[in-house]
Amino acid sequence: QKEVEQDPGPLSVPEGAIVSLNCTYSNSAFQYFMWYRQYSRKGPELLMYTYSSGNKEDGRFTAQVDKSSKYISLFIRDSQPSDSATYLCAMKKGSMDSSYKLIFGSGTRLLVRP
Amino acid sequence: GAVVSQHPSRVICKSGTSVKIECRSLDFQATTMFWYRQFPKQSLMLMATSNEGSKATYEQGVEKDKFLINHASLTLSTLTVTSAHPEDSSFYICSARDPDYEQYFGPGTRLTVT
Repeated sequence: QKEVEQDPGPLSVPEGAIVSLNCTYSNSAFQYFMWYRQYSRKGPELLMYTYSSGNKEDGRFTAQVDKSSKYISLFIRDSQPSDSATYLCAMKKGSMDSSYKLIFGSGTRLLVRP
Repeated sequence: GAVVSQHPSRVICKSGTSVKIECRSLDFQATTMFWYRQFPKQSLMLMATSNEGSKATYEQGVEKDKFLINHASLTLSTLTVTSAHPEDSSFYICSARDPDYEQYFGPGTRLTVT
């Protein structure tokens, strides 16, 4: 079993839809949770990170962590064609400055249709 | 956000030759850099962690004599793929950790070995 599971998609939605992207994980030691966006043939770009449980909002993006269920989500409101990309979740044990490595999900491909 | 560059962005080489990829943090000093490999439609696989002034730490299954990593300064790490073979063809991505322990990724290098 992988430590982090993510549905590869593709997920196709019309412009303006609310998008929900999710990851589940098995290791309760994960403390930091991140979402990266990766356009085709480019490196990943950090969108948001959260610590422990709760919600964090940044513009059209909301990250949600439910540690009791070992489940994290990224919501995109008013989705735009420019949001079409692969979204990777990533997690880390210990404190932010610890030497633990990031563990990535496999990524979900999102396509927002005009 | 912080900027990480990679050079070259794309390289084609013949089997048996060596290829060097550079990773630079442009506006911050990075004591730690990471090298990842990504196959099509798959997630990032950490190859090694590079610490400035010391030997790199390789992940299990990664041949350190084949993938030579040098982190000679706080803004530059290099990955040399020695005696490249077609199965080494992949997308190589570096990332650098800033003083606040956030990781920023480079744009990636696509290596094709013929």
